Amino acid sequence: AQSVTQLGSHVSVSEGALVLLRCNYSSSVPPYLFWYVQYPNQGLQLLLKYTTGATLVKGINGFEAEFKKSETSFHLTKPSAHMSDAAEYFCAVRNAPTTGANNLFFGTGTRLTVIP
Amino acid sequence: GAVVSQHPSRVICKSGTSVKIECRSLDFQATTMFWYRQFPKKSLMLMATSNEGSKATYEQGVEKDKFLINHASLTLSTLTVTSAHPEDSSFYICSARLAGGNEQFFGPGTRLTVL
Repeated sequence: AQSVTQLGSHVSVSEGALVLLRCNYSSSVPPYLFWYVQYPNQGLQLLLKYTTGATLVKGINGFEAEFKKSETSFHLTKPSAHMSDAAEYFCAVRNAPTTGANNLFFGTGTRLTVIP
Repeated sequence: GAVVSQHPSRVICKSGTSVKIECRSLDFQATTMFWYRQFPKKSLMLMATSNEGSKATYEQGVEKDKFLINHASLTLSTLTVTSAHPEDSSFYICSARLAGGNEQFFGPGTRLTVL
């Protein structure tokens, strides 16, 4: 079964500082991995995803994430935080096609606060 | 492209009434739609998966008679919360996926408050 762990339910950074949101997954086979952002009272917006190929994935709003199979991790980073980055971030995983159930499993989320 | 809408965005109802939430894929055909429930400051919990023209598959612990899901067309799925109670108050989010696609496109969510 898939599971996702997001370390740190709350992360605070200063504006302009590095953002690092951690995500680890458990899976017997390499899964597809996703990061979503959720603003208050809104649905989820896809930031980036890893399916196959290059392990460093670039997404929208300057975010990127690196798939590290040896560490079963998919941490989200951004070099310089902006006030508009304050939101809830969810890591999600699903099986690759033909390798099992293909619904998404979400982590518990990390609330990012950006301090002026 | 790949826009998913939900209606209504907010609904307040009395205990015992039924509420219908619509999820539409506006610019693509969604063979599969998903319904999630999100409690305050919690993650999304998958409630059910619906495929167009067939019965929905409910996750363990989700009452199928309480949360009725219909996916009658490739662009519309509905979730009906029957005989709603205050504990059903939550944020309900749908998502839609193209046939053979990897990505789910999420709707903006519906805030249900049951008095």
